[in-house]
Amino acid sequence: AQSVTQLGSHVSVSEGALVLLRCNYSSSVPPYLFWYVQYPNQGLQLLLKYTSAATLVKGINGFEAEFKKSETSFHLTKPSAHMSDAAEYFCAVSYALNFGNEKLTFGTGTRLTIIP
Amino acid sequence: DAGITQSPRHKVTETGTPVTLRCHQTENHRYMYWYRQDPGHGLRLIHYSYGVKDTDKGEVSDGYSVSRSKTEDFLLTLESATSSQTSVYFCAIRGSGGDSNGYTFGSGTRLTVV
Repeated sequence: AQSVTQLGSHVSVSEGALVLLRCNYSSSVPPYLFWYVQYPNQGLQLLLKYTSAATLVKGINGFEAEFKKSETSFHLTKPSAHMSDAAEYFCAVSYALNFGNEKLTFGTGTRLTIIP
Repeated sequence: DAGITQSPRHKVTETGTPVTLRCHQTENHRYMYWYRQDPGHGLRLIHYSYGVKDTDKGEVSDGYSVSRSKTEDFLLTLESATSSQTSVYFCAIRGSGGDSNGYTFGSGTRLTVV
């Protein structure tokens, strides 16, 4: 079964510093991979997704992620952190169910704190 | 989020009582999902639907039931609420297009069982 592991439940970076959030996946077939962001008391917002078109995926708010099959990784990065990036981030993988359906399996999340 | 509404947004209920949460969509999407979010667990799938009257269990379905009598509504029922079901519940919808493009999440329902 497909799954994702997020390394580090809490990450703190200084404003202006590089953001790196780690995600490793387990999948028996080429996966679809996602990063979602959740701001306090809100739902999930899609940051970016990998669907095999390109290994380097650019998303919203300056985030990007690189799919590395050899490392089974899909780490999220941003060159320069802003205070507004403080949120919880979830990596997710999708896999097929029945009747053309599929589901998302989420990692346990990484809470990003930005230090002024 | 546009096109998907959860109600109520907040609810406090007593142990042993039944509770129904509603997810309503205006996108005419085929697929609908109920997740619960708990610290340290991320989001876990409770039930999902792939059409009217077509539903199936997710990974944490014990103590929950669902119904979908029309495309736009997906109801989640806690048959007899327990404190372990205190959580934030999210509904999601997805269209039938390819490449897993179109998941949209609702704003969540915060349920407290006392």
